[in-house]
Amino acid sequence: QKEVEQNSGPLSVPEGAIASLNCTYSDRGSQSFFWYRQYSGKSPELIMFIYSNGDKEDGRFTAQLNKASQYVSLLIRDSQPSDSATYLCAVNGQNTGNQFYFGTGTSLTVIP
Amino acid sequence: EAQVTQNPRYLITVTGKKLTVTCSQNMNHEYMSWYRQDPGLGLRQIYYSMNVEVTDKGDVPEGYKVSRKEKRNFPLILESPSPNQTSLYFCASSFRQTYEQYFGPGTRLTVT
Repeated sequence: QKEVEQNSGPLSVPEGAIASLNCTYSDRGSQSFFWYRQYSGKSPELIMFIYSNGDKEDGRFTAQLNKASQYVSLLIRDSQPSDSATYLCAVNGQNTGNQFYFGTGTSLTVIP
Repeated sequence: EAQVTQNPRYLITVTGKKLTVTCSQNMNHEYMSWYRQDPGLGLRQIYYSMNVEVTDKGDVPEGYKVSRKEKRNFPLILESPSPNQTSLYFCASSFRQTYEQYFGPGTRLTVT
């Protein structure tokens, strides 16, 4: 079982819609959760991090964490063509020691 | 400007010829890490370092070495590169291991 799993997509949404990206993780002791965006050929850039159960909002982005279900999601409201990228979920936790685990990413395309 | 730098950005080499990829950060971060990214496999951690003189293996350490003699630098060494080490490599750093990581621009390595 992979430490972090994401649907690879591709996910396509029309401009202005809400894009929903999901991630599950296997280590129940995980403490830190991150969403990164990566454009083709570029390095990952941090969008959001979340440590506690519940929702965390930053502009058009909302991260949701449910530790009981071992699930973290990212909602992108009012999606723009510039949001078209691969979104990576990353987890760091107790049982993984000091390692980081990344999902394989979900490819998002926002259609104008 | 706060940043993580890597050199070289592109490298083509031959099997068995030792090489070093440098990584440097100017943010006084304690935690540094190396990843490789391959299609379908996502980002996989090679080695990480909690602080000066403290390094540990990630998920895919075989064929790689690292050192952390100074806080700002974390070079990746391939003593005898092989074609299966052809990949896109990223260095990253963070304040502590549970904090968000900042990535360098990447090094595209081809081993023939």
